[in-house]
Amino acid sequence: DGGITQSPKYLFRKEGQNVTLSCEQNLNHDAMYWYRQDPGQGLRLIYYSQIVNDFQKGDIAEGYSVSREKKESFPLTVTSAQKNPTAFYLCASSIDLLQGGGTEAFFGQGTRLTVV
Amino acid sequence: AQKVTQAQTEISVVEKEDVTLDCVYETRDTTYYLFWYKQPPSGELVFLIRRNSFDEQNEISGRYSWNFQKSTSSFNFTITASQVVDSAVYFCALIKYSSYKLIFGSGTRLLVRP
Repeated sequence: DGGITQSPKYLFRKEGQNVTLSCEQNLNHDAMYWYRQDPGQGLRLIYYSQIVNDFQKGDIAEGYSVSREKKESFPLTVTSAQKNPTAFYLCASSIDLLQGGGTEAFFGQGTRLTVV
Repeated sequence: AQKVTQAQTEISVVEKEDVTLDCVYETRDTTYYLFWYKQPPSGELVFLIRRNSFDEQNEISGRYSWNFQKSTSSFNFTITASQVVDSAVYFCALIKYSSYKLIFGSGTRLLVRP
C-alpha cells in the first residue's frame, strides 16, 4: 500500500540530546513537509522540500534540521537548540509543492516526542 | 495576513445527531483553496475536501456536506446522522494560490457518544 511512514510513534529524549524522526513515503511525491502540532493548536510548518537535495525553512525552523538525500526520505532532527521540543510531529507529502493548492497533502501517523 | 479560525474547541453530540463545525477564514487573496482534514485518534490527518475560491457550490459526500460562503468568509462542515466513528479532531485549512504553506485552524474536537 502506498503511504507515508513515520517512525518511531513515540520518542523520549533527554534534555540536551539531538534526536532524529524518520519519514518515508512510497507515493513518488516530489514535495515533503514537516509540521509541528501542539495541544489545542493547528499545525505549524517547520521545513519543506520541493525536490531532492533542496529544502526550505518554514515558520518555526529554529532548533530543527532536515535533509533530503533521497526522494522517499525526509528525516527531521530536533536539536538541543530547540527550546520546547515536546510536541506531536507530522510529516506530509504531495505530488508537487502545494502551489495553487491544486493538490492535497497526505500525512503520516505522526511521532510524539517527549523531552524528559 | 491569512488566518483560519475554528471557534468551537470541542463539541459533544449523541449518535445520530447532526453537527456543524464552523470555519471562518481571513485572506486578501482572490485565489485560494480551502481544505478540511480529519485527525482520528491514530494521529494522521485524513484529507476530506478541497474547494477553490471560485467555486461556491455546496458539496455533499454521503453524510458529509460543506457550505462555502465567500460573503461571510466561512467554510462550514456538517455531518448528518453522526456516528461514533466520526469522533476526531477536524481541521480547516487555507492556502493561497502559488503558496506552499497550508494555514491551519486550531481544530475542533468532535465527540460522538453512543
